[in-house]
Amino acid sequence: ETGVTQTPRHLVMGMTNKKSLKCEQHLGHNAMYWYKQSAKKPLELMFVYSLEERVENNSVPSRFSPECPNSSHLFLHLHTLQPEDSALYLCASSLSGGTSGANVLTFGAGSRLTVL
Amino acid sequence: GQNIDQPTEMTATEGAIVQINCTYQTSGFNGLFWYQQHAGEAPTFLSYNVLDGLEEKGRFSSFLSRSKGYSYLLLKELQMKDSASYLCAVRDGNYQLIWGAGTKLIIKP
Repeated sequence: ETGVTQTPRHLVMGMTNKKSLKCEQHLGHNAMYWYKQSAKKPLELMFVYSLEERVENNSVPSRFSPECPNSSHLFLHLHTLQPEDSALYLCASSLSGGTSGANVLTFGAGSRLTVL
Repeated sequence: GQNIDQPTEMTATEGAIVQINCTYQTSGFNGLFWYQQHAGEAPTFLSYNVLDGLEEKGRFSSFLSRSKGYSYLLLKELQMKDSASYLCAVRDGNYQLIWGAGTKLIIKP
């Protein structure tokens, strides 16, 4: 149990489908993140929410749409994805937006997405 | 541009010692992290260095030299469960995390 739970763990979707990834944390953290992890590549930061406000959007295509309804939940809505979007999507949380002390990230186990 | 370099894959023997290197070129520096990620699992925090020197935590140690832009993770008394990917990340001058591509460590009996 990592404290950050992601569902579903595996998702296969066609390019015309709409699906959502869900992330939940009950660690009392106030910042949440979406990362994309592709094989043999560095983690790519997609979105950051701090105190439920989006503070970072790293040039992510509009087919990815984040939502943070409260400090414990984060969603990634997926629409008309491309095969190159197939990857592991990791959610993480931390106590702050990144400027104090170690600011350790706690990650979920990820959602493995395959786009056909 | 900003860059983190670490070996793609390493192999070591159970009971031995292995050192995983990480070199970085970033705009500013506000700390270096090591995370461990077993296949199909979440990355988990191992260590944080912000000052030069060695930080020891049981079988794992992490070293930092800011002047050389260099860190290493040292794993002693290797166990089969240490087979995993090890991710190096640097927090730059803007407090953005820059990640390496990870080192896959294979432990052989």
